[in-house]
Amino acid sequence: EAQVTQNPRYLITVTGKKLTVTCSQNMNHEYMSWYRQDPGLGLRQIYYSMNVEVTDKGDVPEGYKVSRKEKRNFPLILESPSPNQTSLYFCASSSPHRGRANTEAFFGQGTRLTVV
Amino acid sequence: AQKVTQAQTEISVVEKEDVTLDCVYETRDTTYYLFWYKQPPSGELVFLIRRNSFDEQNEISGRYSWNFQKSTSSFNFTITASQVVDSAVYFCALRALIQGAQKLVFGQGTRLTINP
Repeated sequence: EAQVTQNPRYLITVTGKKLTVTCSQNMNHEYMSWYRQDPGLGLRQIYYSMNVEVTDKGDVPEGYKVSRKEKRNFPLILESPSPNQTSLYFCASSSPHRGRANTEAFFGQGTRLTVV
Repeated sequence: AQKVTQAQTEISVVEKEDVTLDCVYETRDTTYYLFWYKQPPSGELVFLIRRNSFDEQNEISGRYSWNFQKSTSSFNFTITASQVVDSAVYFCALRALIQGAQKLVFGQGTRLTINP
């Protein structure tokens, strides 16, 4: 079954304690991205990756890091989490056809992160 | 700049009523794609429809229909004979290829509540 898998689904942590949210897709998609969802703001892109070893900042990258060492995995790293990073996070992947942005994004189940 | 506006923050209707969710977008690109996603209370994002900028045909899928009008930059979503299971947050999104990178921009979302 084609899917994007995020772990963990729920996480409560303390300020400053480094954490990683994993994301893995089994569709051989080149493009992967991370979003955060906050009330009244919809989903905002944090980082994206167009392929292995190619990553770039989205709209709200501050406080986050990513890596893309292999095609299927795209972890999101919070080196020193702060309470304003409490949010619902989504990983997504898609495969552009001939570079066109015509495919829908497949989303993971979401990770609800609380930083206290 | 790419922008999606969903002016209706919350809508509440009684079951079996028809309801329309508005979506207005801004983009300078001539080639772009529009999407609707559903987020039920369980939190996952469910893809509903994709439309490209060259296809203004309206689409119907069961009780769901979509009205794409380039002249008004709108991509509205109508649910006919609404049911309680339609209760969810609905997101409209715009994807365009910007400087070789896909950008998927979401609206703020509309929370739809269908009351029995």
